[in-house]
Amino acid sequence: SQQGEEDPQALSIQEGENATMNCSYKTSINNLQWYRQNSGRGLVHLILIRSNEREKHSGRLRVTLDTSKKSSSLLITASRAADTASYFCATDKAGSYQLTFGKGTKLSVIP
Amino acid sequence: GAVVSQHPSRVICKSGTSVKIECRSLDFQATTMFWYRQFPKQSLMLMATSNEGSKATYEQGVEKDKFLINHASLTLSTLTVTSAHPEDSSFYICSASRGGGDEQYFGPGTRLTVT
Repeated sequence: SQQGEEDPQALSIQEGENATMNCSYKTSINNLQWYRQNSGRGLVHLILIRSNEREKHSGRLRVTLDTSKKSSSLLITASRAADTASYFCATDKAGSYQLTFGKGTKLSVIP
Repeated sequence: GAVVSQHPSRVICKSGTSVKIECRSLDFQATTMFWYRQFPKQSLMLMATSNEGSKATYEQGVEKDKFLINHASLTLSTLTVTSAHPEDSSFYICSASRGGGDEQYFGPGTRLTVT
């Protein structure tokens, strides 16, 4: 099956709540990245976490990486309506610059 | 810095015609460019990887004669969808990288509709 699979596929929360999305992958990776995509638009790079890192923060974003479980999570704290978008994880393997994207989580933040 | 543009943003063409999509790195030199396709409510699927001055490498299942990729300069790559059919209707996104493990910078995408 596809490298990089997110769950849940869709998530609906109230503004101010935290949103957690998970990503699993199957092969060894070099880096894992999270992207946001607003409907019908391009990708916005959110954060990159390297295989030797376990946690990373950027503003309201917190990413964890568990290479033993081949999984990552993206936490958005104090969500806002503007966070409504699809979120994708993408992995790249050592020696390759190609990214493999997961199926994405569609997040809806209700004002 | 690291801005990538695509042109056009939207295009509608008739079945059987060809369409060219441009991807430009505006403020850096892109040794490598990638082309992705995204169907509605689905993820991005890598179509091909192109390095400046050499032939593109296509992913399995992507017809190289149908999706012509040219990366003739360090700031421009083009994707030409030849003899387009309705099933080619999709969102095409390019990304550009300086190479050497540098991250990919994504363009805003091109929505292709084939009627």
